[in-house]
Amino acid sequence: EVQLVESGGGLVQPGRSMKLSCAASGFTFSDYYMAWVRQAPKKGLEWVASISYEGSSTYYGDSVKGRFTISRDNAKSTLYLQMNSLRSEDTATYYCARHLAMMPPAYWGQGTLVTVSS
Amino acid sequence: DIQMTQSPPSLSASLGDKVTITCQTSQNINKYIAWYQQKPGKAPRLLIGFTSRLVSGIPSRFSGSGSGRDYSFSISNVESEDIASYYCLQYDNSPWTFGGGTKLELK
Repeated sequence: EVQLVESGGGLVQPGRSMKLSCAASGFTFSDYYMAWVRQAPKKGLEWVASISYEGSSTYYGDSVKGRFTISRDNAKSTLYLQMNSLRSEDTATYYCARHLAMMPPAYWGQGTLVTVSS
Repeated sequence: DIQMTQSPPSLSASLGDKVTITCQTSQNINKYIAWYQQKPGKAPRLLIGFTSRLVSGIPSRFSGSGSGRDYSFSISNVESEDIASYYCLQYDNSPWTFGGGTKLELK
């Protein structure tokens, strides 16, 4: 069974950093692109970033470019999102998802909530 | 970035109705549009990819069509389990962008 389990969320002050993790199981992790998608409370979905199979290519949404870094460790079947210079508008549930190249994400984790507040 | 204009923002339907949601994009996305269903507190669920390809296990009452900049998603014979929010996603160009969502409610 495909499983994606996010962790690392919580309360963080504006301007600080936080690192999210997504542990994958039930499939060959290196066979898939991985992505982060977020959803602010009571708002719509926003694609954050994607990373290619071996991590050689990364893609970011405009609102996080230069502040967030997506990475992966295929040996550990784990996806990461390093978030720096956090702002109140980064408050959201962060989902990790898997996809193939030029395909939409079909499997999603249950999400981890990040709250940026003083 | 490609802008996605999804409408309507909300929709009220009776059981058995047919409903249609549209997404208009700011440029041609070559049919690379997907549709998701999301229920409160849950992760999004992929229903349709590449405009009209139904994901395995998704009921045939869900359908999608379109080309160029104009796309639509329909549910025929709305059932109670279809009450949810729906989102379109373009994945033709990075950054991928979602529509604003449509909340489907029972009349």
